[in-house]
Amino acid sequence: DTGVSQDPRHKITKRGQNVTFRCDPISEHNRLYWYRQTLGQGPEFLTYFQNEAQLEKSRLLSDRFSAERPKGSFSTLEIQRTEQGDSAMYLCASSQRTDTQYFGPGTRLTVL
Amino acid sequence: AQSVTQLGSHVSVSEGALVLLRCNYSSSVPPYLFWYVQYPNQGLQLLLKYTSAATLVKGINGFEAEFKKSETSFHLTKPSAHMSDAAEYFCAVLVLTGFQKLVFGTGTRLLVSP
Repeated sequence: DTGVSQDPRHKITKRGQNVTFRCDPISEHNRLYWYRQTLGQGPEFLTYFQNEAQLEKSRLLSDRFSAERPKGSFSTLEIQRTEQGDSAMYLCASSQRTDTQYFGPGTRLTVL
Repeated sequence: AQSVTQLGSHVSVSEGALVLLRCNYSSSVPPYLFWYVQYPNQGLQLLLKYTSAATLVKGINGFEAEFKKSETSFHLTKPSAHMSDAAEYFCAVLVLTGFQKLVFGTGTRLLVSP
C-alpha cells in the first residue's frame, strides 16, 4: 500500500492560465474523489468516480473545471481560465468498497 | 441533510493535559463518523471511525472517540497531549446517497504548549 499520491504538490499560476493536477489512487481502489479546501475551512466535495465513470459532480464544480479518470486508474483535474478564487488546496481521496476514504497530500494552488 | 458541527475553532492545552475536541452530528439515519488530522501543508490522515459497531472507538496516536446517540455527539479525546499532536482536526460524516461523500466540519486547531 503506497498510499494516494498527487502531483504537483504546489502550483503557482497567473490568472487566466489553465492548470492540471494528477491523482494516483491506491492501486486496488475503484472509487476516487476530489475535494477542495480553502483556508480555514474543511474540505468540500467536488466530484466522484467509480472506475472510469464520473458519477457525481458538485455545484461547486463550475464549467471551468473538468475531471477525468481514463481506464479507471489515475485521475486528472483541470481548471481552465483560473481565477483568484480558485486558490485552494485540492485533495484527492480513494476507497474500495468500504466506507473509508484515504487522502493524498494535496495540491496547493495559488492564483496570482 | 447530514452535517457535523465542530465547537471551537481553536483549543489550547498544555503538554500532558487532557485533549477534548467536540463534534456534534445531524443525521436522520445511523451515521458513519470520522475524525481526520491534518498537519500543515499536508493531506488528511484518518484517526478513527465509527461505523455502528462499538460506541467507544480507539484510533491511532492514543486518540479515542465515543459515539453518544442521545447527545448526537462524537467527541475526540486523548488523555495526555503531546507536542506532536498540534494540528488541525476535522470531524466528518459519510453521506450515503447512492455514492459516498464525506461532509466535513470546519475544523479545530489544537495548540499544545510546553
